[in-house]
Amino acid sequence: DIQMTQSPASLSASLGETVTIECLASEDIYSNLAWYQQKPGKSPQLLIYYANSLNDGVPSRFSGSGSGTQYSLKINSLQSEDVSIYFCQQNYDSPWTFGGGTKLELK
Amino acid sequence: QVQLKESGPGLVQPSETLSLTCTVSGFSLTSYSVSWVRQPSGKGPEWMGRMWYDGDTAYNSALKSRLSISRDTSKNQVFLKMNSLQTDDTGTYYCTRGEGPMDAWGQGASVTVSS
Repeated sequence: DIQMTQSPASLSASLGETVTIECLASEDIYSNLAWYQQKPGKSPQLLIYYANSLNDGVPSRFSGSGSGTQYSLKINSLQSEDVSIYFCQQNYDSPWTFGGGTKLELK
Repeated sequence: QVQLKESGPGLVQPSETLSLTCTVSGFSLTSYSVSWVRQPSGKGPEWMGRMWYDGDTAYNSALKSRLSISRDTSKNQVFLKMNSLQTDDTGTYYCTRGEGPMDAWGQGASVTVSS
């Protein structure tokens, strides 16, 4: 199975700040990488697919980048509603696998 | 509007079988695939398996011996059955839509395995 390693596990940032979350795959996943946002008590919601494509309705302050085994999610101008847990997921090879998550909090 | 909704018992005895139903609306099961994903409390999600739009299935090899996914297209429902449940099967079970990225998720069904 492809292992997905996210960093950091937790992150504290101020309103208006830019934050970056990293995701490392154990092998090349050819940009088949999605990012999800999960608010407390809610189901995950798709933010980014194929590494850098923004899902419908997702604010443009979210962006994704990367290739090969290294990917990142960037949030510009952090808003209070961005407090969530973020997961990466590879859908290149079965079984699809997720990262352990990054908990984003406000400083 | 695309919707998925999980239903099933919240409490299952150890060694028993879990049965969940995912009822979908706003799209056709013959056009989109539906996966089951579970998430233990405080941990990352785990993809369990998928019902392809053409009726084929795919399973996580870690669960394949215990898991079965089926569907009834006339009722817009996808079913999950998993046997020999243990306490570490406790968590929230979601059905999701998509062949790669999962663009719609149900609200989740909380399942506790306990005697």
